[in-house]
Amino acid sequence: ELKVEQNPLFLSMQEGKNYTIYCNYSTTSDRLYWYRQDPGKSLESLFVLLSNGAVKQEGRLMASLDTKARLSTLHITAAVHDLSATYFCAVAGGGTSGSRLTFGEGTQLTVNP
Amino acid sequence: DTEVTQTPKHLVMGMTNKKSLKCEQHMGHRAMYWYKQKAKKPPELMFVYSYEKLSINESVPSRFSPECPNSSLLNLHLHALQPEDSALYLCASSQRVTSGRRWTGELFFGEGSRLTVL
Repeated sequence: ELKVEQNPLFLSMQEGKNYTIYCNYSTTSDRLYWYRQDPGKSLESLFVLLSNGAVKQEGRLMASLDTKARLSTLHITAAVHDLSATYFCAVAGGGTSGSRLTFGEGTQLTVNP
Repeated sequence: DTEVTQTPKHLVMGMTNKKSLKCEQHMGHRAMYWYKQKAKKPPELMFVYSYEKLSINESVPSRFSPECPNSSLLNLHLHALQPEDSALYLCASSQRVTSGRRWTGELFFGEGSRLTVL
């Protein structure tokens, strides 16, 4: 059974600081996703990582994937208040008829002025 | 059009009611999904339809009945629900990319239907 662990689960940081969210998963997978969710809202796709060593950046967020270590990171650079949200990583596994994603527990990020 | 549209956005129902949640996408995606999300928890997969056929049922109770009438529509029929079924129900879709291109499997989510069972 695929297990996905995120840490930290809660992160409170000051504006302008850097931090990293970690996502570990238990079995081999070649697809990992990062999503953002604002309170009461749906999930917004941030990054799709498809290969070992993949690195993607969008604004102040950068995601990377190490399939050998079964680890993905989401790095936040110079945080701003607008980044406050819950961030989920999700790992694909099982079958090709549809994408069965297993989500991590989520990291609730609060960026304080 | 890159949207997945869900209706209704909010639904309150009694335990004896029958209601339906609807989901629509016009991105040409051939896989559609229902997820359930409780407060402060990750989404949990319920059902997957691939090419309008049910491909995954994650042992969901029969009081939830999915239906995929065509490639753009996905319904979730609700009957005799319990208060613990109150949650945000998310619909998603994904593309199957062929002709040598790699399938990313990226899911696009709708805004969700917030269900309250009294």
